[in-house]
Order: sequence, then structure tokens, then C-alpha cells
Amino acid sequence: EVQLVQSGAEVKKPGESLKISCKGSGFTFTNYWIGWVRQMPGKGLEWMGIIYPGDSDTRYSPSFQGQVTISADRSIRTAYLQWNNLKASDTAMYFCARLVGPNEELGMDVWGQGTTVTVSS
Amino acid sequence: QSALTQPASVSGSPGQSITISCTGTSSDVGGYKHVSWYQQHPGKAPKLMIYDVSNRPSGVSNRFSGSKSGNTASLTISGLQAEDEADYYCCSYTSSSTQVFGIGTKVTVL
Repeated sequence: EVQLVQSGAEVKKPGESLKISCKGSGFTFTNYWIGWVRQMPGKGLEWMGIIYPGDSDTRYSPSFQGQVTISADRSIRTAYLQWNNLKASDTAMYFCARLVGPNEELGMDVWGQGTTVTVSS
Repeated sequence: QSALTQPASVSGSPGQSITISCTGTSSDVGGYKHVSWYQQHPGKAPKLMIYDVSNRPSGVSNRFSGSKSGNTASLTISGLQAEDEADYYCCSYTSSSTQVFGIGTKVTVL
């Protein structure tokens, strides 16, 4: 079965660091772009960025460039989303998703279950 | 880049057809054939319904169809069913080599 499994919910304080994960199975991880999508409480979807685990090529939305880091470890079929200085405004659900094929323009057909990140003092 | 424009809500009766619009610019929707549509039920992950303007992934009902004209893409749901009640988001590739979502549309089945 093709699936993405994300790490569990996190509760952090402002200023802390965090790295959440997304593990792929059932497909050739290095042949597909993996993306991250934010959904703040009660709000819409926001495209954050994508990574191609085959060569770690990365694209960031201008809104998230410099705010987060997307990485991947192809040896363990896992993509990551990382913050170095969390803010309360980072409180959201974060989804990872696989793009339909090897091209960065495509939609996302396989989604993780989501990771809730809560940042509060 | 700004979020794509969608109507906040669309409603219809069972069996009817509804259309959701998604308006962008020549730098996104109008410039590329790479528009996708997602359905999201409350508390669930989004589900891909349409990609590349009009392609349906395997397993998606043929009641869902997509099209594009100029800077506006559209998702049509035919034979509306209660299970179609959800939020719908469009998403387009952009000239910045990124993608951008629409603001989302709540579909209500009356």
C-alpha cells in the first residue's frame, strides 16, 4: 500500500526548535516530489514547499522561504519539515503529500495523516 | 504570490450540478495546464480530485470534472450527493516554480 505516515503531535514553546517527519512506503521514494502543506486552525490550505528526495532539490513558497527548512533522508524514505525558532503563529496542522509524478508541477495524490503543532508559552 | 480566488460557498440540491470557480493570473492559472482540485472533509486530509486541469485520479468519481478558460479554472460536480459536502480547494503551478492554493469553497448539499 502506498502511504505516507507522519510523526505525532507536538507541543512546543516559542523560540524552540522542531523537526517533524513524513515516512513513505509502497513506492519508490526517490522518484517523487514530496510536499508540505500548512493548515492553520479553521483556515485554508497553504502550499509551503516541496523536495525531490532523489537529489534533494527543493522549492519554497515565498511565504515560507527562510521560515522553515525542508529536507529528506532517502536512505530511510523520510522527509522532514524543520523550524529553528517557533512562533505562536506556527500553530497549525501540517500535512505532507506526494506529488502525482516526477514533475514539480503536479498535484498531490497521496497524503499523510497530518501532524498537529501547537506553540504556546 | 496571492491565494487564488474562489467563492466562499456554493450550494445545491441532491442530483443537481454545481460549479466552483478558481481565478488567478497569467502567472499561475492562465499560464499553465497544471491546476489541481482537492476535497477536504472536516478533520481529514485533503483528497486529490482533479489534476492537470481535467485529469481524474484512479478511483475518483466521474461526477467530478475540471476545465479552464483563460485565468479561471472550474470544478463541476454533477449529480450532487450528500457525501460531496466538503471544502474544495484549487491549486495551480506558478511562474515562480512553486504552487499556490485557492482560498477554499465550502460546498453545502441542501
